[in-house]
Amino acid sequence: EVQLLESGGGLVQPGGSLRLSCAASGFTFTTSAVTWVRQAPGKGLEWVSSFRGSGGAASYADSVKGRFTISRDNSKNTVYLQTHSLTAEDTAVYYCAKYLYAHSYYGIDVWGQGTTVTVSS
Amino acid sequence: DNVMTQSPLSLSVTPGEPASISCRSSQSLLHSNGYSYVDWYLQKPGQSPQLLIYLGSNRASGVPDRISGSGSGTDFTLKISRVEAEDVGVYYCMETLQSPYTFGQGTKLEIK
Repeated sequence: EVQLLESGGGLVQPGGSLRLSCAASGFTFTTSAVTWVRQAPGKGLEWVSSFRGSGGAASYADSVKGRFTISRDNSKNTVYLQTHSLTAEDTAVYYCAKYLYAHSYYGIDVWGQGTTVTVSS
Repeated sequence: DNVMTQSPLSLSVTPGEPASISCRSSQSLLHSNGYSYVDWYLQKPGQSPQLLIYLGSNRASGVPDRISGSGSGTDFTLKISRVEAEDVGVYYCMETLQSPYTFGQGTKLEIK
C-alpha cells in the first residue's frame, strides 16, 4: 500500500526553523513527483512547493520562496521541507503528497495525514 | 499569479439530487497538448484531501462515475449526478498548468 507519513511539526517561536519529514512506503520518491500543501486553521488549501522525481529545480509559492527548501534522501525514501524565518502566517497543517506521475505536476493522488506547525511566542 | 474562483462557496443538497460547482480561472489552463490543467479535490471532514478529477475531466482511481469534471480554457465544472451522504465535505479546484499552483477557495457541500 502506498503511504506517506509526515513528522517534524510542532510549536516554534517566530523567526525559528523546523524540518518537516515525509517518509514514503509502497513507492520510491525517485520515481515520483512530490508536493507540500498547507492548510491554515479553518482555511483552504495552499500549495507550498513541488519537485519532480526526475530531477530539476523545485517550485515554491511566493509566500515561502527563499525561506523553505524541499529536498529528499533517496536512501531513506524520505522528502524534507526545511523551513526558516517562520511567522504566524506559516501556522498550518502541512501535507506531504505525491503526484500521479514522476514528470508532471497534476493529479495529487496520495496524501499524508499532515503534520501541524504552530508559530507562536 | 492565476486566481481560481469557485462558486457557490456552499451548497446544501438533498440526497439523490444533482450538484454542480463552478471554477473560473483568471488565465487559460488549456495546454498546447489539448488538456486543461485543472484538478478537483474533496476534503471530507477531519481528513486529508483526496483526488477526484485531474486534467479537467479524468476521473481518479476509485471515484464513482456519478462524479464528473468538464470545461476548458477558463471555465470548469464539477458535477455530481446524484449526491450521496459520503459526498459531504469541501471541494477544491486547483490549477496545475504553471507555478504557483493555486487552489480555489473551496465549496462546502452539505446534505439537507
